[in-house]
Amino acid sequence: EVQLVESGGGLVQPGASLKLSCVASGFTFSDYWMSWVRQTPGKTMEWIGDIKYDGSYTNYAPSLKNRFTISRDNAKSTLYLQMSNVRSEDTATYYCTRDRHNSFDYWGQGVMVTVSS
Amino acid sequence: DVVLTQTPPTLSATIGQSVSISCRSSQSLLHSNGNTYLNWLLQRPGQPPQLLIYLVSRLESGVPNRFSGSGSGTDFTLKISGVEAEDLGVYYCVQSTHAPTFGSGTKLEIK
Repeated sequence: EVQLVESGGGLVQPGASLKLSCVASGFTFSDYWMSWVRQTPGKTMEWIGDIKYDGSYTNYAPSLKNRFTISRDNAKSTLYLQMSNVRSEDTATYYCTRDRHNSFDYWGQGVMVTVSS
Repeated sequence: DVVLTQTPPTLSATIGQSVSISCRSSQSLLHSNGNTYLNWLLQRPGQPPQLLIYLVSRLESGVPNRFSGSGSGTDFTLKISGVEAEDLGVYYCVQSTHAPTFGSGTKLEIK
């Protein structure tokens, strides 16, 4: 069974940094591109970016490229999202997703990030 | 950015009724490789989204065949032929021909 489990969220102050993790199981992690997607409290969905199966290439939503970094450790079957200089508008539930046929075929349960002083 | 406009924003249906959701794109979603990367997701209350349909009309494994997708270019439709109680939730279209973007969602309520 494919499972994606995110962690690392919580309450953070504006300007701080935060690193989210997503541990994958039930499939060969190193065979798949992976993405991060977030959902605001108003339910708007936004793609953050993705990473190639071997970690050699990343894509980002232009508006987030300078503050967010996606990485992976295939030996640990783990996907990461490094967030820096967070803002109130980064408050959202963050999902890691598996990419297949350019679709998001599996989603984690999500992790909440709240940016507030 | 590619803007996906979903209509209607809310849909109320009785059990057994057939319904359709429209998703219109601001740009063609036909990729240079000949594929059209338009997918449909369902987010049930309190759950993460799940993939229903990919590549416009291909049913994801395990998804009931009352769900179907159609369309091309910039106009796409999700149809549910005979709504069941478990179908309530918010439906999103999402394109990944270009940098991925999502529609604003259609909330399906059961009367």
